[in-house]
This record gives sequence, structure tokens and C-alpha cells, in this order.
Amino acid sequence: QKEVEQNSGPLSVPEGAIASLNCTYSDRGSQSFFWYRQYSGKSPELIMFIYSNGDKEDGRFTAQLNKASQYVSLLIRDSQPSDSATYLCAVRFNYGGSQGNLIFGKGTKLSVKP
Amino acid sequence: NAGVTQTPKFQVLKTGQSMTLQCAQDMNHNSMYWYRQDPGMGLRLIYYSASEGTTDKGEVPNGYNVSRLNKREFSLRLESAAPSQTSVYFCASSDLQGAETQYFGPGTRLLVL
Repeated sequence: QKEVEQNSGPLSVPEGAIASLNCTYSDRGSQSFFWYRQYSGKSPELIMFIYSNGDKEDGRFTAQLNKASQYVSLLIRDSQPSDSATYLCAVRFNYGGSQGNLIFGKGTKLSVKP
Repeated sequence: NAGVTQTPKFQVLKTGQSMTLQCAQDMNHNSMYWYRQDPGMGLRLIYYSASEGTTDKGEVPNGYNVSRLNKREFSLRLESAAPSQTSVYFCASSDLQGAETQYFGPGTRLLVL
């Protein structure tokens, strides 16, 4: 059973702080990792994806991947109230060399307080 | 360019009734997906279509059927609705199966009484 685990939160941070969102996954063979943002009542939208160990930065967002620990995280610097949303971690597991579909975690709700 | 559109936005059904959720994309994508999202359960894949003419089961296919009508359209049918199918349904599309960016529609909220 392929699993993606996230702390459901809510995670509350003050405006301007760094928000750290974490995700663990069950399959060492996983190759691709994604972070989606979902505002209340809206559909998910992709923020970032990462394939290789280490950090990947895009503006205020940094994705971090540690395949040995089966751990992926999303850091949001200078958090803004507009970042308040649920953040979904998704993993693509490979099956016998072919690419599988995305498996989503249950999401972490982030609240940024002014 | 509307992206991914879904109809209806909201629907109330009685147990045992049937209905079809419609999804269309105008991005010329090959792959399309149907997910359901329940509180505390995250997004779960119901069915997907890797390309026109093919459909496959996802994680939770029981009680559903799908049709890939053409490259643009992918419908989800509930033959005999049950209260357990109360959920928010999202359609998504991507250029290739499992591709980095899946574009989601606005969702359909379904309540089965």
C-alpha cells in the first residue's frame, strides 16, 4: 500500500515567519514529489515539484527532498495571510519502471495570522 | 481558454438515483482523471484515462463508471447513488499520465440523501 503522510494541522504562524510543512512517504522507489495549494472551497493548484535530493527554490517557496529518510518538506518564507490554505503533498510511485499516478496526502492546513 | 470545466457545480441526489458528472478540457491534454475529496481523506483517484480510448481504475472505483467520450471530454457516472458517495468530485487533466502538472477543474459538490 503506497502511503503519503502529512500532519493535518492546523499549523499557525505569524505573518512574516517561516512556515514549514512536512510529508513522509512509504515507497523508497518513489521518484517525483509535488506540493499543491488548495484554498477553501477551491481546487488544488501546483506550487512546486522536486525530483532530486536537496533543495529547490521558487520565490518564497523552497521544497526539500531527502530520499534516504523518505521525507519531503515545503518552506514558505515571509509568510503572508494570503498563504493561508491547505497544502497537499503528492508522490508519484513507479511500478516496474513505468510511471504511476499521483498519491495525495490528506493535507496540512496552514493559517498565517496578521 | 477555459482550462478544465465541470458541470454541475452542485447536485443533490436521493439514494438510488443516477447521474453523470461532466468534465471537459480545452488544453489538448492526453490524460484525464476523476478524484473525490472527503474531509480527512485527501484526494483519492477514482478512474483515469491515460489517452483517448483508454480508461483504468484508480484507488476507489466501486460504484462508478467512466467514459472518455473524445480527447476533450471525460464523464463520471453514478449508476445508483449511495450516501457514501457524498463528496466533492474533481476532474483533472495533464499532457501525459502522471505528468508534473495536473490541472484541476472547479469541482462538483454532490450530496446524496
